[in-house]
Amino acid sequence: EDQVTQSPEALRLQEGESSSLNCSYTVSGLRGLFWYRQDPGKGPEFLFTLYSAGEEKEKERLKATLTKKESFLHITAPKPEDSATYLCAVQGRSGTYKYIFGTGTRLKVLA
Amino acid sequence: EAQVTQNPRYLITVTGKKLTVTCSQNMNHEYMSWYRQDPGLGLRQIYYSMNVEVTDKGDVPEGYKVSRKEKRNFPLILESPSPNQTSLYFCASSAGGAGYGYTFGSGTRLTVV
Repeated sequence: EDQVTQSPEALRLQEGESSSLNCSYTVSGLRGLFWYRQDPGKGPEFLFTLYSAGEEKEKERLKATLTKKESFLHITAPKPEDSATYLCAVQGRSGTYKYIFGTGTRLKVLA
Repeated sequence: EAQVTQNPRYLITVTGKKLTVTCSQNMNHEYMSWYRQDPGLGLRQIYYSMNVEVTDKGDVPEGYKVSRKEKRNFPLILESPSPNQTSLYFCASSAGGAGYGYTFGSGTRLTVV
C-alpha cells in the first residue's frame, strides 16, 4: 500500500536558522513526488515535482531533493514569511492518477 | 487569473439535509478531484474525474456523490450529510494525471450538526 510519512510534525526555527523537512514514502513505482505549501485557511499551493532519485529543484530559499525512499525540503536562512504547513504527496503507477498526501510539517519561523 | 473557485467557503447544515458544494476551474484542466482535510489525517481523496463523464472513487467516497457534465465544473453532493462529514473540503484540478501538480481551491469548511 502506498504511504507517505512526514517528519517532524512541527518545527520552530529562528530567522536565518536553516533546517530540513523529511518525507518518507512507500509507493509501487513512483510517477512523481510533490511538495506543497499550505497557509492557514487556504488551499495548498504547488511548489515542486520530483520524478526520479537524484533530482533536485530549487525555489528561492527552498530546495527539494529525492532519493529512492525519501525526499527532503531544505530551507536555507528562513524568514517569518516561510511559516506554513509543508505537505508532501506521491503519485504511483498503480493505474489511477491518485495522490497520497502526508499529514504535513507545521513550520514556524520566529523573527 | 487561473484559479479553482469553490462555493460556499463556510457552511453549517443539519443532519440529512442535502447540500452541494460547487467547484469550477478556468484552466481547461482535464483532471479534477475532491479532498477532505482532517486534523491528523491529512488530505484524503473523495472522488476524482479524469474527464467529462468519467469519475471514480478515491479513498473515502462513502456518503458523497459527484458529477462531471462539463469540463470546468465538478460539484460535490452530500445527499444526507452526517456529523462525521464535518471537515474542510478542497477541490483541485490538474492539467494531466502524470506528474502535474494540483491547483487547489480555497476550501469549504462544512459543519454538520
